[in-house]
Amino acid sequence: EPEVTQTPSHQVTQMGQEVILRCVPISNHLYFYWYRQILGQKVEFLVSFYNNEISEKSEIFDDQFSVERPDGSNFTLKIRSTKLEDSAMYFCASSVLLGQPTNTEAFFGQGTRLTVV
Amino acid sequence: KNQVEQSPQSLIILEGKNCTLQCNYTVSPFSNLRWYKQDTGRGPVSLTIMTFSENTKSNGRYTATLDADTKQSSLHITASQLSDSASYICVVSAAGGSYIPTFGRGTSLIVHP
Repeated sequence: EPEVTQTPSHQVTQMGQEVILRCVPISNHLYFYWYRQILGQKVEFLVSFYNNEISEKSEIFDDQFSVERPDGSNFTLKIRSTKLEDSAMYFCASSVLLGQPTNTEAFFGQGTRLTVV
Repeated sequence: KNQVEQSPQSLIILEGKNCTLQCNYTVSPFSNLRWYKQDTGRGPVSLTIMTFSENTKSNGRYTATLDADTKQSSLHITASQLSDSASYICVVSAAGGSYIPTFGRGTSLIVHP
């Protein structure tokens, strides 16, 4: 069964450092997303990406964040200068095959746990 | 402001019993409502998606209902199993304009043998 894969599973970084979280969405999906979940809190939407550009972003997704689809398979989230409060689980998701309506289910990866020290 | 409220916050039941989780939302205009199951430390897994015109949708032992008039949804789990222990999250998306989904805090379900 196709799945969204994320690497690394756990990343520890020092405050102020740049991190790149990587995701391989399900092949032939058209929409890609990043979410985060701070420990003990609810999942929060960060950004959606379609047709090689950001289609939506939340207030959380400020100038410190960027996304990229550098090739045909990877989808990355970059945090430019990490802060302690960026510590969270980051989930990538993808959805919608060509021809499907946009309100189809999103498939989530297993997440990358980011710890900023 | 769009909000999704779930109740109860946590629930403990015995294996084999049924349970119902609630979701109230203020998201408008409404596009769709999704229920996800999230095991500890894992990504959410979709259970059901419901649009405005759907009242009930089932996925195995999971049955979701939607009342768009009262802006309420429920997730009913039948004959619970130990593997049902997880957080169940209600997510509501608005129509038109911003897609940004609104997540509930989830109901933590524990099934005891």
